[in-house]
Amino acid sequence: NAGVTQTPKFQVLKTGQSMTLQCAQDMNHEYMSWYRQDPGMGLRLIHYSVGAGITDQGEVPNGYNVSRSTTEDFPLRLLSAAPSQTSVYFCASRGYRGTEAFFGQGTRLTVV
Amino acid sequence: EDQVTQSPEALRLQEGESSSLNCSYTVSGLRGLFWYRQDPGKGPEFLFTLYSAGEEKEKERLKATLTKKESFLHITAPKPEDSATYLCAAPLGSSNTGKLIFGQGTTLQVKP
Repeated sequence: NAGVTQTPKFQVLKTGQSMTLQCAQDMNHEYMSWYRQDPGMGLRLIHYSVGAGITDQGEVPNGYNVSRSTTEDFPLRLLSAAPSQTSVYFCASRGYRGTEAFFGQGTRLTVV
Repeated sequence: EDQVTQSPEALRLQEGESSSLNCSYTVSGLRGLFWYRQDPGKGPEFLFTLYSAGEEKEKERLKATLTKKESFLHITAPKPEDSATYLCAAPLGSSNTGKLIFGQGTTLQVKP
């Protein structure tokens, strides 16, 4: 099992550009989430999904879109990148009967 | 409002000097308290889940405990390899959605 795989690991965008952060898990987990991590702010929930076709907003959803067409994949789309979206992004998955969430290695995004 | 707060923000210890990290929480209907370890440039890695006041769990030099208002991560005779950021988190919401609220983390540095 690879667990949770995120790509790319690093990305630099110009203000106004769009991009998609990829997240895939091979554990057949129902729940998937996206977090951003900023210094002094901890991990904050952006969007989450409880299963294929079902997504909802977290604490800081503005400027981001998600979709969940399969159990395995949960991409995060930045519609028009802004410097405030410079952060480290983590994808996580968790099984319905499980306890802990498993995290990917993160994507470090810089918007200039 | 649901909240998870960790203290101290940073902790420097000499090798072998035991100490404790604190995680206080105000989460309605707590359904578990999680501890994670995060190394620089990596995603959080699961350590423990605690469900009820009085529960304790141990792993090597780490022991996590839970009361009705807070959790402690006790580190006994730490080694330099214990240096990391330690995060606590709690599930959010009344249903099992996989959403987590995190504290800001405690960055531990253990000097040889």
